Amino acid sequence: QQQVKQSPQSLIVQKGGIPIINCAYENTAFDYFPWYQQFPGKGPALLIAIRPDVSEKKEGRFTISFNKSAKQFSLHIMDSQPGDSATYFCAARSGAGSYQLTFGKGTKLSVIP
Amino acid sequence: SQTIHQWPATLVQPVGSPLSLECTVEGTSNPNLYWYRQAAGRGLQLLFYSVGIGQISSEVPQNLSASRPQDRQFILSSKKLLLSDSGFYLCAWSPGHYYNEQFFGPGTRLTVL
Repeated sequence: QQQVKQSPQSLIVQKGGIPIINCAYENTAFDYFPWYQQFPGKGPALLIAIRPDVSEKKEGRFTISFNKSAKQFSLHIMDSQPGDSATYFCAARSGAGSYQLTFGKGTKLSVIP
Repeated sequence: SQTIHQWPATLVQPVGSPLSLECTVEGTSNPNLYWYRQAAGRGLQLLFYSVGIGQISSEVPQNLSASRPQDRQFILSSKKLLLSDSGFYLCAWSPGHYYNEQFFGPGTRLTVL
């Protein structure tokens, strides 16, 4: 119930491609869904986040799509660049007042020049 | 702006030795504070969180402990390290408002030999 299942585990795309990372959950109490980007040896950085009352959110080349009925959300990276090569984590918060985020296991993205 | 510091950045310790990792946050007050561990190639495991001075919640029973002696200071400790304590330790803070976005520090790489 508390899990967030993230796929794929790893992803290789050509420069300019559109990698898509998917996450699925079961807990309908989740009400906030952030994505984090982590470079090797660094802490994760908050990239973009969405609430379940919104179906899509864009920030620059990053887009979150959210399907509440399917309990799925995904991250799209438009015009991907080698500098986007990193590990991406989705997460979910279990309701108002919760202090905890449940993280997916991460997707290692490699963008080939 | 808010800044989160962790030290040391890297640590190599023998099995059975004590541990003290420190995290401080600047530019905010009354933050929620978190300790995570990230094993190699794995996701993020929440170890402890704190919503105020002296208030610690433990998520995973183990030989680690946490303390919050000051509002913006969070310390992770162990009396005797195990080999399995090796990993990347991340401190995070959140502002404590409704969505509680979490922001991570640079991390400490701990190797127990």
